[in-house]
Amino acid sequence: DVKVTQSSRYLVKRTGEKVFLECVQDMDHENMFWYRQDPGLGLRLIYFSYDVKMKEKGDIPEGYSVSREKKERFSLILESASTNQTSMYLCASSFRGQGIANYGYTFGSGTRLTVV
Amino acid sequence: GQNIDQPTEMTATEGAIVQINCTYQTSGFNGLFWYQQHAGEAPTFLSYNVLDGLEEKGRFSSFLSRSKGYSYLLLKELQMKDSASYLCAVWSSWGKLQFGAGTQVVVTP
Repeated sequence: DVKVTQSSRYLVKRTGEKVFLECVQDMDHENMFWYRQDPGLGLRLIYFSYDVKMKEKGDIPEGYSVSREKKERFSLILESASTNQTSMYLCASSFRGQGIANYGYTFGSGTRLTVV
Repeated sequence: GQNIDQPTEMTATEGAIVQINCTYQTSGFNGLFWYQQHAGEAPTFLSYNVLDGLEEKGRFSSFLSRSKGYSYLLLKELQMKDSASYLCAVWSSWGKLQFGAGTQVVVTP
C-alpha cells in the first residue's frame, strides 16, 4: 500500500521555537508539496519540490523554509513559530507530468500544529 | 488572479443525489480534480477531468466545461459514509494544484 507518512499527528509548540515537520513517501514520486489547511480557506500551497535539492515557493512561503536532501523526504521548517501558524499541515507527493493526471496527488494524514 | 469557488455546505438525505458545483478562474489549466476528505483524514483522489463532458465512476460522476470554467461532482444514491468535505482542485501549472475551500456534504438519515 503506497504511503505518504508525516512524522507527527499532533504537535504543540511555543512561540519562537524552531519547528520541523517531516514527510516521507515510498512511491518514488518526483514531486513533493507542503500545504496548510484552514477552515474557510482550503488548502494553500507553502512550498513544493520537483527534485532532490530543488524547491519552489508556493502561495504563502513567508515564515517557512523547506529541505529536500533525499527523494523520499521533504521537510517543512518553521524558523520561529508564531500563533498564526497554528494550522493543519498536509504533505503530498506526485509523479511528474502526465503522472499527475493518472494518479493525482497522494496526501499524508496531516499534522495538526498548535503554537501557544 | 486565481479563484476557485464552491459552496461551503450542502445537506441531503440518504439515497438522494447531490451536485457540488465548482467554478474556476486560473492562469493555466491542465485539468480538474475532485478529492474527498473525511474529518481528520487525508484527502483521497476521486476523479480527474481534462476534456469537456461527463466522467462516470460508479456512484460518483464528474463533469467539466472548460469554456465556462465550470465543473460539478455528482454523488448518487447517497450513503452515510459519503458525509465528508469535497475539494475541487485545478491543475494550473507546473504540477501544482490550486484548491477550492471545500464543500462539506452532510448526509442525514
